[in-house]
Amino acid sequence: GNSVTQMEGPVTLSEEAFLTINCTYTATGYPSLFWYVQYPGEGLQLLLKATKADDKGSNKGFEATYRKETTSFHLEKGSVQVSDSAVYFCALIRGSTLGRLYFGRGTQLTVWP
Amino acid sequence: GAVVSQHPSWVICKSGTSVKIECRSLDFQATTMFWYRQFPKQSLMLMATSNEGSKATYEQGVEKDKFLINHASLTLSTLTVTSAHPEDSSFYICSARTGVAEKLFFGSGTQLSVL
Repeated sequence: GNSVTQMEGPVTLSEEAFLTINCTYTATGYPSLFWYVQYPGEGLQLLLKATKADDKGSNKGFEATYRKETTSFHLEKGSVQVSDSAVYFCALIRGSTLGRLYFGRGTQLTVWP
Repeated sequence: GAVVSQHPSWVICKSGTSVKIECRSLDFQATTMFWYRQFPKQSLMLMATSNEGSKATYEQGVEKDKFLINHASLTLSTLTVTSAHPEDSSFYICSARTGVAEKLFFGSGTQLSVL
């Protein structure tokens, strides 16, 4: 079946620290991979995506590379800010049905000044 | 950007009562809406897909008679948890898909606690 495994949080960092949130997946075929972010009191927002192997998604200083050989899509940022404090969800879609997402459990990130 | 409004943000109810959660697309028409739930320390899981004017499609293991979904208009979908029990306590999130641009927008979620 399809599933996403995310590293367990919470993650607490100081401002300007390097961030990695691990995400691995199980899926048949060639899924599209996503990272969503949920800021306090708001809905999930698409942060970045990659649709095929070796693609790198990037946005707001965050990056993730679609690694088919390791079935991974780890999220990284070189220098986090307090405003990056949020919950981050890794997700995949099989096929083209946008909306039928398989999510991980989410990782709470807190950045201290 | 497009906004999806979900209400209430949290609700506490007694066991055996019913609870309704609303999901509205505020500035676009959503032909399809999705309902997810997340139990503590578990993944966010898709419960059902609803298309405006037709019956919802439920994922395996989700009781359609317990989780009633109505999508009567292009801007509103409701999820009613009937005869709620403590094991239904969870975080419920809706999402709405735009028709033309094929984008997906999420509500902020509803935390349901059944006593």
